[in-house]
Amino acid sequence: EADIYQTPRYLVIGTGKKITLECSQTMGHDKMYWYQQDPGMELHLIHYSYGVNSTEKGDLSSESTVSRIRTEHFPLTLESARPSHTSQYLCASSATWVPTEAFFGQGTRLTVV
Amino acid sequence: TQLLEQSPQFLSIQEGENLTVYCNSSSVFSSLQWYRQEPGEGPVLLVTVVTGGEVKKLKRLTFQFGDARKDSSLHITAAQPGDTGLYLCAGGGSTLGRLYFGRGTQLTVWP
Repeated sequence: EADIYQTPRYLVIGTGKKITLECSQTMGHDKMYWYQQDPGMELHLIHYSYGVNSTEKGDLSSESTVSRIRTEHFPLTLESARPSHTSQYLCASSATWVPTEAFFGQGTRLTVV
Repeated sequence: TQLLEQSPQFLSIQEGENLTVYCNSSSVFSSLQWYRQEPGEGPVLLVTVVTGGEVKKLKRLTFQFGDARKDSSLHITAAQPGDTGLYLCAGGGSTLGRLYFGRGTQLTVWP
């Protein structure tokens, strides 16, 4: 059983608000990822990290930012939410060794009104 | 440009039927994973294949990695409604441990 947790599961928020989506894992994985996904659609990598103080932008341009101060914690922040940010956000982690196998959290369903 | 192409995109079948979904690429991968995702949840890893030509079985699911490690297939025998979900393939390269996901096959199995 993978131990990676996302909070909140659901969030409805007004335009212009600052939000932080939390992601924590207890597996000691160095690599962590944030994906954006619309229902039933493909995953888009928006941020990833290879370890503490390492963050990189993914394939899909995103107005969000991330930080990695602790190995187990990889929060995603939107400074000013907009309706176009409405989506599901999935956090994942993987161990350093190959093959890379990702373990996903349950996701945060964000709705910006 | 999608690195991994999955087909079909949608598949709707009756309980008891067999099916195969495909994951194809022009790139070579050191490993390939299959995940299943149910609505409102994160993807769950089903299997990892690493050797060209490798076949793995998970109950009624059979996974095959192509000889050239560019493609993979997932075959489900006697599908059940519980198999319904989005099936995603993901290729892993040796560089920095990135995973590249396909767009997925949405499978619906009707009772």
